[in-house]
Amino acid sequence: DQQVKQNSPSLSVQEGRISILNCDYTNSMFDYFLWYKKYPAEGPTFLISISSIKDKNEDGRFTVFLNKSAKHLSLHIVPSQPGDSAVYFCAASSGNQFYFGTGTSLTVIP
Amino acid sequence: DAGVIQSPRHEVTEMGQEVTLRCKPISGHDYLFWYRQTMMRGLELLIYFNNNVPIDDSGMPEDRFSAKMPNASFSTLKIQPSEPRDSAVYFCASRPKTGKSRNTIYFGEGSWLTVV
Repeated sequence: DQQVKQNSPSLSVQEGRISILNCDYTNSMFDYFLWYKKYPAEGPTFLISISSIKDKNEDGRFTVFLNKSAKHLSLHIVPSQPGDSAVYFCAASSGNQFYFGTGTSLTVIP
Repeated sequence: DAGVIQSPRHEVTEMGQEVTLRCKPISGHDYLFWYRQTMMRGLELLIYFNNNVPIDDSGMPEDRFSAKMPNASFSTLKIQPSEPRDSAVYFCASRPKTGKSRNTIYFGEGSWLTVV
């Protein structure tokens, strides 16, 4: 059973606008959350993370929000750029295990 | 620093053949993970090692799959015999036990397996 879910397989956004990618998890024991970005024919690369003791973490154009009560995680990209077009995976960890969602394919339209 | 190195990048094999995927983790990393990416299940953990010892192999789908880590710089994932449903991208990843990066895992570029 998927402990981390990304219910939107794809998302299209106009260049310059905000992209919001969502993620839900089921295990309340998760204490660290990450977003990875994956281009075709490449491995996932780390993008941004957040500890469960925080509700927001920002890095340049990327901000991750954590709502522990709702068990919900989101990634905001502002402004979106064509180079952001990729598959985004959210992940959650508890101890040594990392659980990933199925990914959301983001297309930023120029 | 070199990242996680995987080989082969692409493998096409016939059903029933043995497949061996190889991984060199980032030097100094204590944990090594094998993941499989499929459309339906995304990135699913197959097995992970700590200091060369397998800790959790509950994600290994069948006895046809086996993984070893004979030393800190090398791991293999073997499928014998291979089946068409094993076709997927297999990723190796590693992370350190301590330090700023301990909560992040780093992936290789993947091995694309096609079983015909």
